[in-house]
Amino acid sequence: SQKIEQNSEALNIQEGKTATLTCNYTNYSPAYLQWYRQDPGRGPVFLLLIRENEKEKRKERLKVTFDTTLKQSLFHITASQPADSATYLCALDPSGGSYIPTFGRGTSLIVHP
Amino acid sequence: DGGITQSPKYLFRKEGQNVTLSCEQNLNHDAMYWYRQDPGQGLRLIYYSQIVNDFQKGDIAEGYSVSREKKESFPLTVTSAQKNPTAFYLCASIRGQGITGELFFGEGSRLTVL
Repeated sequence: SQKIEQNSEALNIQEGKTATLTCNYTNYSPAYLQWYRQDPGRGPVFLLLIRENEKEKRKERLKVTFDTTLKQSLFHITASQPADSATYLCALDPSGGSYIPTFGRGTSLIVHP
Repeated sequence: DGGITQSPKYLFRKEGQNVTLSCEQNLNHDAMYWYRQDPGQGLRLIYYSQIVNDFQKGDIAEGYSVSREKKESFPLTVTSAQKNPTAFYLCASIRGQGITGELFFGEGSRLTVL
């Protein structure tokens, strides 16, 4: 069956460190993968999209990698801040162009001051 | 400012009652989606619509119904047939069809069945 797996355990890190979140998928061949941020009781907010032919994408303190051989994406936040504390969701589109995004469960990040 | 508006934000329902959640967008987006989120769970797709007057079932459509009579509006009805309706409901939209852009989400509606 098709699965998107994100670490269900919360990631606790110290302010200033780099946070690394993982998204693994099985039985998909997505053309791209997205990362969203969700705060408690709010809707997700789009952060980054990376295509299958891109190894790495950066936006300010954020970096995403995409390894289609390993079927894995890594999401990094450098110089993390307490304001980065949230749940981070990865999403991909298995529909081959109709755009029907499928989401992982998300990983909670807690940045301690 | 453009965006997606969901209402109500909180809703309580007695068992056996139908309830309709509103979703309106002024982004001129073609495609709209309804997701359900349970605690510790990812977003699960209920219904989606890529053009007016057309919609498709998602992974968990049983007990739900939708309509898409206007481009701006995509209301979701949670019927009494939905066995476990207490959840956080999210509406989203995207420009165009098959465009690999970002999903825009509303602030969500939290439904509690008493």
